[in-house]
Amino acid sequence: QKEVEQDPGPLSVPEGAIVSLNCTYSNSAFQYFMWYRQYSRKGPELLMYTYSSGNKEDGRFTAQVDKSSKYISLFIRDSQPSDSATYLCAMRRNAGNNRKLIWGLGTSLGVNP
Amino acid sequence: NAGVTQTPKFRILKIGQSMTLQCTQDMNHNYMYWYRQDPGMGLKLIYYSVGAGITDKGEVPNGYNVSRSTTEDFPLRLELAAPSQTSVYFCASSYRVGTRSADTQYFGPGTRLTVL
Repeated sequence: QKEVEQDPGPLSVPEGAIVSLNCTYSNSAFQYFMWYRQYSRKGPELLMYTYSSGNKEDGRFTAQVDKSSKYISLFIRDSQPSDSATYLCAMRRNAGNNRKLIWGLGTSLGVNP
Repeated sequence: NAGVTQTPKFRILKIGQSMTLQCTQDMNHNYMYWYRQDPGMGLKLIYYSVGAGITDKGEVPNGYNVSRSTTEDFPLRLELAAPSQTSVYFCASSYRVGTRSADTQYFGPGTRLTVL
């Protein structure tokens, strides 16, 4: 079993829809949770990060962490064609010698005008 | 700030050739990373560095070498290129202090390498 599971999609939605992107993980030691967006032929860019459980909101984006279920989500409200990209989740432990981010495979999202 | 820059953007190599992928960051980050990304396979960590003079292996280091002589630069060396090294290579950097740090990584635009 992979440490982080993410459905690769593709996911296709109409403009204005609410999008829900999700990752599940197996290691309860993960404490930092991140979402990156990657446009075609570009490097990933950080969208949001959350420490431990709870919600975090930034404009149309909301990141949610449920540590009891080992489940994280990214919600996009009022989705726009410019949101069409691959969304990668990443997470890591809060441990001194562990420097690695564990990455999901990414979900490809298309928003149709 | 330019952030993380990578050169070249594209390269085609013949089997057995060698090359160096360049990576520079101007954010004074202490950590730097090299990843490769293959379709459907996600990001795989090749090597990373926690500061000048200190490097360590990631998940897929075979066939690659790195050095970190300055804070800014982290070149990746491919020796004896093989078709399996055809991929998109990303360099990233982050700033970490102590253990309680988010380690949010900033990525370069990538180098597309084809080995024929």
